[in-house]
Amino acid sequence: ETGVTQSPTHLIKTRGQQVTLRCSSQSGHNTVSWYQQALGQGPQFIFQYYREEENGRGNFPPRFSGLQFPNYSSELNVNALELDDSALYLCASSQRTGGDSPLHFGNGTRLTVT
Amino acid sequence: GIQVEQSPPDLILQEGANSTLRCNFSDSVNNLQWFHQNPWGQLINLFYIPSGTKQNGRLSATTVATERYSLLYISSSQTTDSGVYFCAVEETSGSRLTFGEGTQLTVNP
Repeated sequence: ETGVTQSPTHLIKTRGQQVTLRCSSQSGHNTVSWYQQALGQGPQFIFQYYREEENGRGNFPPRFSGLQFPNYSSELNVNALELDDSALYLCASSQRTGGDSPLHFGNGTRLTVT
Repeated sequence: GIQVEQSPPDLILQEGANSTLRCNFSDSVNNLQWFHQNPWGQLINLFYIPSGTKQNGRLSATTVATERYSLLYISSSQTTDSGVYFCAVEETSGSRLTFGEGTQLTVNP
């Protein structure tokens, strides 16, 4: 069973730039969620994708956007980067079957905005 | 939205000691998970426990859904148990997880 993989592991960007983070879901999982974790805090929900459509969004501005592909992998795009976007970005996958399914997280992408 | 509070915020133990971490939540939940985040940032799923008690080696967890709290027990702690322990709840099936602020555990040799 292949776990959740994220790329890149680390990234440094300049304020105003754009960034794309990638996630491959765990084998057999059809739902992907993205979370932002600032230093010293718990992860905050950004949005979730199911069947290639956004299926719930947290309190993040529109410059945070995403995609889910037919193979259930996903991208998180952030435009017009701000210093406060510096954080660990976590991707999680689960299998929505009508029952309950625990989330499994990747190792994250650590983004630094200077 | 739902509020999740974890206590204590910090905990320092000697190797071999036992500990109890608590998670309180403000409304009924469909799901509750406990995670361990290691120093490299990896979130590891410990328990999926919307109610009842589960055990996995030296770790066990109990959720009392009617009283809106969950407890994580760590027995005979080891230095590798160090890290941040998060409780996260899901209000409805398939929705977002809301995390607490975590308990920073340090186990000294």
